[in-house]
Amino acid sequence: GAGVSQSPSNKVTEKGKDVELRCDPISGHTALYWYRQSLGQGLEFLIYFQGNSAPDKSGLPSDRFSAERTGGSVSTLTIQRTQQEDSAVYLCASSPGGTGNTEAFFGQGTRLTVV
Amino acid sequence: AQRVTQPEKLLSVFKGAPVELKCNYSYSGSPELFWYVQYSRQRLQLLLRHISRESIKGFTADLNKGETSFHLKKPFAQEEDSAMYYCALLGANSKLTFGKGITLSVRP
Repeated sequence: GAGVSQSPSNKVTEKGKDVELRCDPISGHTALYWYRQSLGQGLEFLIYFQGNSAPDKSGLPSDRFSAERTGGSVSTLTIQRTQQEDSAVYLCASSPGGTGNTEAFFGQGTRLTVV
Repeated sequence: AQRVTQPEKLLSVFKGAPVELKCNYSYSGSPELFWYVQYSRQRLQLLLRHISRESIKGFTADLNKGETSFHLKKPFAQEEDSAMYYCALLGANSKLTFGKGITLSVRP
């Protein structure tokens, strides 16, 4: 694919249900990020994967949030027992990794609405 | 720890007015700094990076290590510049850290 792809584009779920959000990064990109963008807010860092290193989970807001990256490619962000405050746009980005001019490419986002 | 601070959430100017979007950073090493932009209903995308020392769409940004700043400037704002702008720092472990962003509104 030409860019970072996220699915679904929109997700409406009932409070208390679990959801899975998927990110397909650009092929060959070793770095993958998840961010959350709430209405009127900026980008909130959630988690960062870099190659085979242990992920940086320092941004996950609670233990209801988890993410994995299989085979160094596709990533899934899972939110358990969703709450209304989880409603936001979840953005995924990937980059080649390493130092230097490393541009991050963003997906179109998944808009999550918890009702 | 690395941190990016964008002190303002909103800047509203008239078309043709100068624009300065502030960004300050905290990082112990040598930073790589970027500005990203998100236009309405579009993906977040790179606007410019300090290493390239380039002007994109009339915007420039100079890294000031003494003041730990990387402010984005444009001498004459256009309506199409209205967007959300994020400052970002590439630091330790190649992790990209973003500021909270600022909404620029350019009125006709």
